[in-house]
Amino acid sequence: KNQVEQSPQSLIILEGKNCTLQCNYTVSPFSNLRWYKQDTGRGPVSLTIMTFSENTKSNGRYTATLDADTKQSSLHITASQLSDSASYICVVSLNAGNNRKLIWGLGTSLAVNP
Amino acid sequence: ETGVTQSPTHLIKTRGQQVTLRCSSQSGHNTVSWYQQALGQGPQFIFQYYREEENGRGNFPPRFSGLQFPNYSSELNVNALELDDSALYLCASSLGGRGQMDAFFGQGTRLTVV
Repeated sequence: KNQVEQSPQSLIILEGKNCTLQCNYTVSPFSNLRWYKQDTGRGPVSLTIMTFSENTKSNGRYTATLDADTKQSSLHITASQLSDSASYICVVSLNAGNNRKLIWGLGTSLAVNP
Repeated sequence: ETGVTQSPTHLIKTRGQQVTLRCSSQSGHNTVSWYQQALGQGPQFIFQYYREEENGRGNFPPRFSGLQFPNYSSELNVNALELDDSALYLCASSLGGRGQMDAFFGQGTRLTVV
């Protein structure tokens, strides 16, 4: 069964601290993996997208890693800011021929406190 | 800003009514996907349109229908609204029949059915 699991479910950190969010997937055939940031009631915003051959990708203070062998990904946030408070969703694209499908994780809810 | 615009941003409808949600895709994109996101849940794929044709559908009843116009903007129509249809409806645009690659999301339409 194609699934994406994220941990932790929620996380509270202090402003300025770093954190790492985890994503494990069982999706085949794999096309790409992406991390989205979603503020409450808003549409998801893409942070990174990685294909099979990419191990790491950065976007400012966000760094995503991908281990295609173990089917694990992480999102590392450096020097967190209050505006980082949001849900972070790991999404894996299933290569289903002409109609690629997205398999969504349930997200990690991050709260950054002053 | 992703260049994907949805309207309206908020909407309140009565059970049994019909609703039309609109999405303007990002310039250069010819594929639009629609998602339903209930509170605290991940987005659920409704359907996708590629060059004015439906190109994939999720597990939603026929009262959820759509349309894509020659300019690649799109509409989502929901008939006979039910209370459980209350959700955030997201539109994502992308390039090519691959659908989900590099998808950019709009800000969403919050539908409340009373």
